[in-house]
Amino acid sequence: IAGITQAPTSQILAAGRRMTLRCTQDMRHNAMYWYRQDLGLGLRLIHYSNTAGTTGKGEVPDGYSVSRANTDDFPLTLASAVPSQTSVYFCASKVTQYFGPGTRLTVL
Amino acid sequence: GQNIDQPTEMTATEGAIVQINCTYQTSGFNGLFWYQQHAGEAPTFLSYNVLDGLEEKGRFSSFLSRSKGYSYLLLKELQMKDSASYLCAVMDSNYQLIWGAGTKLIIKP
Repeated sequence: IAGITQAPTSQILAAGRRMTLRCTQDMRHNAMYWYRQDLGLGLRLIHYSNTAGTTGKGEVPDGYSVSRANTDDFPLTLASAVPSQTSVYFCASKVTQYFGPGTRLTVL
Repeated sequence: GQNIDQPTEMTATEGAIVQINCTYQTSGFNGLFWYQQHAGEAPTFLSYNVLDGLEEKGRFSSFLSRSKGYSYLLLKELQMKDSASYLCAVMDSNYQLIWGAGTKLIIKP
């Protein structure tokens, strides 16, 4: 792979279910980020990680958790999905933000 | 609070020039970024300004005035493929990006 990959591409999820969005990069970037993008709003930072083993909260962290066990992977977990988490989710790496292709998540 | 303002939508003609403005109020400043985002796709990096002045990259130029909290993205010789949203983002004192809502640029033949 080259760059950042995300999986799944899209998902429809029942409210209350647990869901993990996957993000993998092969560029060895230390910094990684999770954003959500909603119509009419700017990208909003959910969580970030400056290096493997560390994570931090962004602007809208409630309802989401992340882990960074190694440099390449940065999964985002929704413990109990709610309809307001319907959005497009982007994973990004490096300060200048290389973006993955995104995951379109619908919570019903 | 922190705020990034840019017009919601602009229309321009193929072959013309368009200027997309961005004003910001943030806690600290460590640079301003412009990104292009085509519908249904991820944003892609266009430019980075940290010092006042104009940065030129081919048909695209970006200007910054830190004292005015103002930037613009200038697109010359517009092509149909330039139809996209253009996102302005400022890196604050915590080195986090604060994003504007984006400007949707519509190019007409």
